[in-house]
Amino acid sequence: AQKVTQAQTEISVVEKEDVTLDCVYETRDTTYYLFWYKQPPSGELVFLIRRNSFDEQNEISGRYSWNFQKSTSSFNFTITASQVVDSAVYFCALKETSGSRLTFGEGTQLTVNP
Amino acid sequence: ETGVTQTPRHLVMGMTNKKSLKCEQHLGHNAMYWYKQSAKKPLELMFVYSLEERVENNSVPSRFSPECPNSSHLFLHLHTLQPEDSALYLCASSQGVRGSKTQYFGPGTRLLVL
Repeated sequence: AQKVTQAQTEISVVEKEDVTLDCVYETRDTTYYLFWYKQPPSGELVFLIRRNSFDEQNEISGRYSWNFQKSTSSFNFTITASQVVDSAVYFCALKETSGSRLTFGEGTQLTVNP
Repeated sequence: ETGVTQTPRHLVMGMTNKKSLKCEQHLGHNAMYWYKQSAKKPLELMFVYSLEERVENNSVPSRFSPECPNSSHLFLHLHTLQPEDSALYLCASSQGVRGSKTQYFGPGTRLLVL
């Protein structure tokens, strides 16, 4: 069965600090997909990134970067020079190629203080 | 028009009421989903529709009844709900359900059952 664990329930940082959100997953599939979503207070889940299991290249998009390590089943998300607008709940999710189900972690509440 | 819209955004209902949640996607997708997000719980998949056919029903009580009249619209009919059904109900859509398909979410309906 697939499972996603986000061990950090809440993180609080001061603006301009770097912050890393951890995500560890479990799956028996050899091909799968990993996602990060952001949920601001308004409620909508905003898609941030999708990573294929066969592509371990790390990715950077502006202040966001993602570190995918298959050996440790982790897909961590780093925000550099955090801003107050980054305050939200961040969800990591896993999808196996054979199914329609997107399995979410419990989310990490990030608060960036001015 | 944003990608996935949901109405109403907020709903208060008594346990004997009947109401419906509506979701509309403007992305040209052919799959739609209902998720439930309760406090301190991961997102739970409720239903999946692909090409207007229900392909997954995740052991949801019969007091929740989905309807997908076409690929752009999805409804969730509610009747005789319980207070524990109070939650954020999120709709999502994707182009297909298998493989790497990214799900795009609406803003959700915050439901309170009294």
